[in-house]
Amino acid sequence: AQRVTQPEKLLSVFKGAPVELKCNYSYSGSPELFWYVQYSRQRLQLLLRHISRESIKGFTADLNKGETSFHLKKPFAQEEDSAMYYCALKGQGGKLIFGQGTELSVKP
Amino acid sequence: GAGVSQSPSNKVTEKGKDVELRCDPISGHTALYWYRQSLGQGLEFLIYFQGNSAPDKSGLPSDRFSAERTGGSVSTLTIQRTQQEDSAVYLCASSLGGQGAYGYTFGSGTRLTVV
Repeated sequence: AQRVTQPEKLLSVFKGAPVELKCNYSYSGSPELFWYVQYSRQRLQLLLRHISRESIKGFTADLNKGETSFHLKKPFAQEEDSAMYYCALKGQGGKLIFGQGTELSVKP
Repeated sequence: GAGVSQSPSNKVTEKGKDVELRCDPISGHTALYWYRQSLGQGLEFLIYFQGNSAPDKSGLPSDRFSAERTGGSVSTLTIQRTQQEDSAVYLCASSLGGQGAYGYTFGSGTRLTVV
């Protein structure tokens, strides 16, 4: 089965604290994974792709095939990082399978 | 166009009525996807178009839901005999090519409320 699990519905941290949003997946084969972000009253947008090995807005995510995880990390959270974050797996035909999302709240 | 455009942005309808939701993808994007976003449910895949054909309709929840795409561009999602459980935000996305390797570009969605 192809599945994405984000175990935390809400993650609340203080500004400057490290952040880790968890994502686990189930997929037979070589996975392609993404993180999407939705800021308040804005549309869902791509944050980063694992194949790019990029860092966007200070966020990074490493694919760990042994643990079937793709956790999103940032060393020092900022208030403007407060948003809804979705982990996604590319499934058959290119469709993305999304997790249920984690709401990140960064307090001042 | 510059982005994925969806209309209407909000729709309130009475239970039992039919509704049509429209998506205008980015020009040149051959793949188009419909998702449903409900509170606490994440994003639920509905249907995928490559050009005008729909190779994957597996996510349509019932036969009350249908979608079409014409001219490899605009897509319409139709919900017949709406029910209260259909209330959600319906999102459309498009991508360059059918494999979505570059990720999707999403529209701002249509918020459907069935009363």
